[in-house]
Amino acid sequence: GESVGLHLPTLSVQEGDNSIINCAYSNSASDYFIWYKQESGKGPQFIIDIRSNMDKRQGQRVTVLLNKTVKHLSLQIAATQPGDSAVYFCAENWGPTQGGSEKLVFGKGTKLTVNP
Amino acid sequence: GAGVSQSPSNKVTEKGKDVELRCDPISGHTALYWYRQSLGQGLEFLIYFQGNSAPDKSGLPSDRFSAERTGGSVSTLTIQRTQQEDSAVYLCASSRRQGYEQFFGPGTRLTVL
Repeated sequence: GESVGLHLPTLSVQEGDNSIINCAYSNSASDYFIWYKQESGKGPQFIIDIRSNMDKRQGQRVTVLLNKTVKHLSLQIAATQPGDSAVYFCAENWGPTQGGSEKLVFGKGTKLTVNP
Repeated sequence: GAGVSQSPSNKVTEKGKDVELRCDPISGHTALYWYRQSLGQGLEFLIYFQGNSAPDKSGLPSDRFSAERTGGSVSTLTIQRTQQEDSAVYLCASSRRQGYEQFFGPGTRLTVL
């Protein structure tokens, strides 16, 4: 997989199914990870985050899993709905840049299509 | 409260012209970020402001790009002598502080003809 990249650029599921979106990240020192959802014509919207001292975190219908051993992140969406159709981005906090800030490095995204 | 707002939502300009893009962050958020998103791509970090500290400009692609943040609130991203490759959606985000969730605005779609 690519650095903070996604194994599948597109994912098509049936309404009611569970969806799993995967992400590989490259920086073993990253300590914070976020999943964003971006609908057409809108800015990314926060879904869920996880810090590196955890391996699982659950939200409403979403679960993020973090496997630091293989540097893998996944987003699970339960009972996927048509409103979940969007592009999903994972992002990792790379820590200080040359300028000293902490920046998020984003993957290219997976387009999720939910069929009714 | 209101989220992050950006203006204009769309901007079409001719090659060689200067453009200014505006971002109003969430009130009280001390960190502000600019990103660029090309068609079908992820987000590319451009610049970061934190309070009154000097901005982190390490992501700016060339010296034609600059940004400022006045009074610790509103930010303006300026692109001088625009080129066709500058065409993209420019997204602004703010967070209550560095290392925490970033809230994004709707973006400005820039088209350079």
